[in-house]
Amino acid sequence: QKEVEQDPGPLSVPEGAIVSLNCTYSNSAFQYFMWYRQYSRKGPELLMYTYSSGNKEDGRFTAQVDKSSKYISLFIRDSQPSDSATYLCAPEGSGYSTLTFGKGTMLLVSP
Amino acid sequence: NAGVTQTPKFQVLKTGQSMTLQCAQDMNHNSMYWYRQDPGMGLRLIYYSASEGTTDKGEVPNGYNVSRLNKREFSLRLESAAPSQTSVYFCASRGTGGYGYTFGSGTRLTVV
Repeated sequence: QKEVEQDPGPLSVPEGAIVSLNCTYSNSAFQYFMWYRQYSRKGPELLMYTYSSGNKEDGRFTAQVDKSSKYISLFIRDSQPSDSATYLCAPEGSGYSTLTFGKGTMLLVSP
Repeated sequence: NAGVTQTPKFQVLKTGQSMTLQCAQDMNHNSMYWYRQDPGMGLRLIYYSASEGTTDKGEVPNGYNVSRLNKREFSLRLESAAPSQTSVYFCASRGTGGYGYTFGSGTRLTVV
């Protein structure tokens, strides 16, 4: 089993839809969970950061972590065409280790 | 603008040629990283430097060397380029206690 898995998509939704992006991981030592957004031909940028289980909200974005099932979600409300990008999950263990990235899910939001 | 600067942005090499990818950050970050990104493979760590003076191998180090020149700069060298090294290369940095990485805009390398 891969350490971090994401459905590559593309996930196509109409503008205004609620989007759910998901990620599973196998390493129970992961404690920090990040979501990156990567626009075409650009570098990834940090979107959300969560520690341990629970939810974190930032505007239209909500990150959710369920450590018991090793499942990470990113919800986007009222999706916009500008949200069209690839979303990468990146869990991390303690001790300031290197990040392990999922392969990313491509999201396309049509006007 | 503060951040991570990579040069060059594009490069075409012939098989067997050598080149150095440059990376510099102006955020006083301790740790720096080199990743490659390929379709269907995601981001894979090549080398990293946890602090000035140290470097360590990542997941795919073969065919590459790195130099942490000072706290700001971390270069990636291809001694004898191969077509399998055609990729997009990203440099990233991270401060002590910082959340996540700051990435550069990437170098698109084609080896023919």
